[in-house]
Amino acid sequence: DTEVTQTPKHLVMGMTNKKSLKCEQHMGHRAMYWYKQKAKKPPELMFVYSYEKLSINESVPSRFSPECPNSSLLNLHLHALQPEDSALYLCASSQERTDRDTIYFGEGSWLTVV
Amino acid sequence: AQRVTQPEKLLSVFKGAPVELKCNYSYSGSPELFWYVQYSRQRLQLLLRHISRESIKGFTADLNKGETSFHLKKPFAQEEDSAMYYCALRAGSARQLTFGSGTQLTVLP
Repeated sequence: DTEVTQTPKHLVMGMTNKKSLKCEQHMGHRAMYWYKQKAKKPPELMFVYSYEKLSINESVPSRFSPECPNSSLLNLHLHALQPEDSALYLCASSQERTDRDTIYFGEGSWLTVV
Repeated sequence: AQRVTQPEKLLSVFKGAPVELKCNYSYSGSPELFWYVQYSRQRLQLLLRHISRESIKGFTADLNKGETSFHLKKPFAQEEDSAMYYCALRAGSARQLTFGSGTQLTVLP
């Protein structure tokens, strides 16, 4: 199994809603990532978790709140988002061994904020 | 700080023609370079990494440290190669990737 699974595939939410994006991998990877990708733009790093601890937060607004309940799961809690937050949110994972590390991406969750 | 530059936003070639997608990087240390491909409405997939020195789907890429380049090449393009291609760099012991802006390749029949 070399898949990173993300749910939901599509999400429409209002600016006052609270929702969550979920990500799961069963490859035994110990690093997990959230990236944001706007249309026809490269992915931009948001957060990195290493061994279930937040190791990098790329100055992401607090309306995005990541959570890593265990080594296989990564959530992104969303609250009071703005329309400009509409994007494809990509989850990724990797093994955490420098010389053999490949980052695997999920299909993403398309988020629309109305 | 590291940076990845892909000078061509759009590239069109005819089927059977050679294709080269350019990637230049700036990083003071020893980088790890990757090419990722994203077909329409599909996930980002790893195509090549420089340490593997392998050929995937006929594509090759050589890291040229003197020119700080990692260009992606294929001698005979196929229509199914049409996709967005991202060059990416991982710096030192960092976990995350820094992506270039991407090149949309269209292979014409």
